Amino acid sequence: NAGVTQTPKFQVLKTGQSMTLQCAQDMNHNSMYWYRQDPGMGLRLIYYSASEGTTDKGEVPNGYNVSRLNKREFSLRLESAAPSQTSVYFCASRTGNTNNSPLHFGNGTRLTVT
Amino acid sequence: AQSVTQLDSQVPVFEEAPVELRCNYSSSVSVYLFWYVQYPNQGLQLLLKYLSGSTLVKGINGFEAEFNKSQTSFHLRKPSVHISDTAEYFCVNSGGSNYKLTFGKGTLLTVNP
Repeated sequence: NAGVTQTPKFQVLKTGQSMTLQCAQDMNHNSMYWYRQDPGMGLRLIYYSASEGTTDKGEVPNGYNVSRLNKREFSLRLESAAPSQTSVYFCASRTGNTNNSPLHFGNGTRLTVT
Repeated sequence: AQSVTQLDSQVPVFEEAPVELRCNYSSSVSVYLFWYVQYPNQGLQLLLKYLSGSTLVKGINGFEAEFNKSQTSFHLRKPSVHISDTAEYFCVNSGGSNYKLTFGKGTLLTVNP
């Protein structure tokens, strides 16, 4: 049982380059989330998808776009990377039917923008 | 808006000592509280959760937490820590809007020999 799988694990980009971070879950969860983690800032929500076919902005959506490709997959795209987007990105999912279901996290993508 | 405050950003302790990591949350109509642990270079893993019922919640790896409604707290405890407990710990409240969760900024627990 893989849980939440993120690819790639590491990535280095130059300023202005674009890339897509992939996330897939095999738990039949409805809700999926993208967070970024920076030292001293905790986790900040970038975008989330409450269910297949819907996406919404979180706290820090600027510079990012998302696609909920199907129930399993939720990708995060950086169209023109900036050094401020250097961070560790986590994808998470949960059943989404109620607030009392916990999040399940992937192992993260470490992105450096030079 | 919901808020979660972890009162200590770093907690150093010696091996086999007891530890308490403190968390306060803002009150809400519904409160669902979680503690997560993040080991170096890994994702977050659920330690325990409080949804309702007994205010003392037991989790994995010998951790437990007590929900205190009057003090709006959900402190995490372990009676005797190991070196392997060195990690960052996050307190999370899921009692707000239906799909967003509120994270504390994390407490780095360092267990020294």
